[in-house]
Amino acid sequence: DGGITQSPKYLFRKEGQNVTLSCEQNLNHDAMYWYRQDPGQGLRLIYYSQIVNDFQKGDIAEGYSVSREKKESFPLTVTSAQKNPTAFYLCASSSPGAKNIQYFGAGTRLSVL
Amino acid sequence: GQNIDQPTEMTATEGAIVQINCTYQTSGFNGLFWYQQHAGEAPTFLSYNVLDGLEEKGRFSSFLSRSKGYSYLLLKELQMKDSASYLCAVNNDRGSTLGRLYFGRGTQLTVWP
Repeated sequence: DGGITQSPKYLFRKEGQNVTLSCEQNLNHDAMYWYRQDPGQGLRLIYYSQIVNDFQKGDIAEGYSVSREKKESFPLTVTSAQKNPTAFYLCASSSPGAKNIQYFGAGTRLSVL
Repeated sequence: GQNIDQPTEMTATEGAIVQINCTYQTSGFNGLFWYQQHAGEAPTFLSYNVLDGLEEKGRFSSFLSRSKGYSYLLLKELQMKDSASYLCAVNNDRGSTLGRLYFGRGTQLTVWP
């Protein structure tokens, strides 16, 4: 079954701690994305990557970091510099040859202890 | 900035027809997407328009007017399971080969029996 897998489903962060959210896809998509969703807000882009070993900041990159060492994987680290990390995080991927339709993982809900 | 506007909430009854509007002002345009998102779940792709006109897919249709910066999603024969948030997103490819999506805040549709 092809798809996008995010883990964990729920994550708790302590004060001053870095946490990493996993995103893996087996759709052979070149591009991958991380979004943050807060209640009453649309999806806001954190980082995106159009090719391995390259990534770009989105609209709210401060306090986050990413890597793209493999085509299939695009992990997101929420650092201690992100003072308000509680949100629903969504990973997506797309293929340029397919209208750039983005397909989403099931999401990770991050809360602060 | 990029502006994507859609109503916050709509209600309708089972079996009825509902139209969800979306207006946009973006620096570039390479397609408009509609996604459906049930509470706590990932958005799922519904439709894509890049040329003016109507795209029909079963009970759902989507319309685009590029000159007016306007789209709508039409849902026919409403069912209870259609209660969800509907997200409008524009692919802005200005300054980027692939483009990136800008999302509206979503329209929460409630279908009553």
